[in-house]
Amino acid sequence: EAAVTQSPRNKVAVTGGKVTLSCNQTNNHNNMYWYRQDTGHGLRLIHYSYGAGSTEKGDIPDGYKASRPSQENFSLILELATPSQTSVYFCASGEQGNTLYFGEGSRLIVV
Amino acid sequence: QQKVQQSPESLSVPEGGMASFNCTSSDRNFQYFWWYRQHSGEGPKALMSIFSDGDKKEGRFTAHLNKASLHVSLHIRDSQPSDSALYFCAASGVNTGNYKYVFGAGTRLKVIA
Repeated sequence: EAAVTQSPRNKVAVTGGKVTLSCNQTNNHNNMYWYRQDTGHGLRLIHYSYGAGSTEKGDIPDGYKASRPSQENFSLILELATPSQTSVYFCASGEQGNTLYFGEGSRLIVV
Repeated sequence: QQKVQQSPESLSVPEGGMASFNCTSSDRNFQYFWWYRQHSGEGPKALMSIFSDGDKKEGRFTAHLNKASLHVSLHIRDSQPSDSALYFCAASGVNTGNYKYVFGAGTRLKVIA
């Protein structure tokens, strides 16, 4: 089964600070995704990537940047963290039109 | 506004009973549907996909798709306590370039032993 690893699993950040969430996948999938999960909203797409060097805006990209330096790695960057970005973040990988494989999530609290 | 709407929000069934979940899309371009399950503290995991009209059965799980009404459902027979989890419907299609997946808000299932 596809392996997607996220770090850190838990993070407390201060308002205005920079946060980087990292994701690594070992199955050579072209596409990678960052979602956030909030009660009542399900999973909402922040950024995604078709391959190394590419990043695309999802449905809620404001306040977030993404970086795909290699096939295996996809990072989500919060340059100026705000309390509204407190959430659980999930990275996923997959091929076009196929099942997504998710990591275990990164819980972020911004105080 | 959610393009994929799920119902009910929560559901309780007795052990051995049938659990049923519903999902309706508001976008006729969505052609491909998945059901994912998420246990507490874990990431979502795919249960099954359905791309054609009709039923698809995998063990205790049966999915049904009606593209004309943009409705997909999931039924779990002989529900077990280990089935207690959050269930998501996800959709993808031509207008999303088959790269993007839109998720519903989820249905929380509790199986009572």
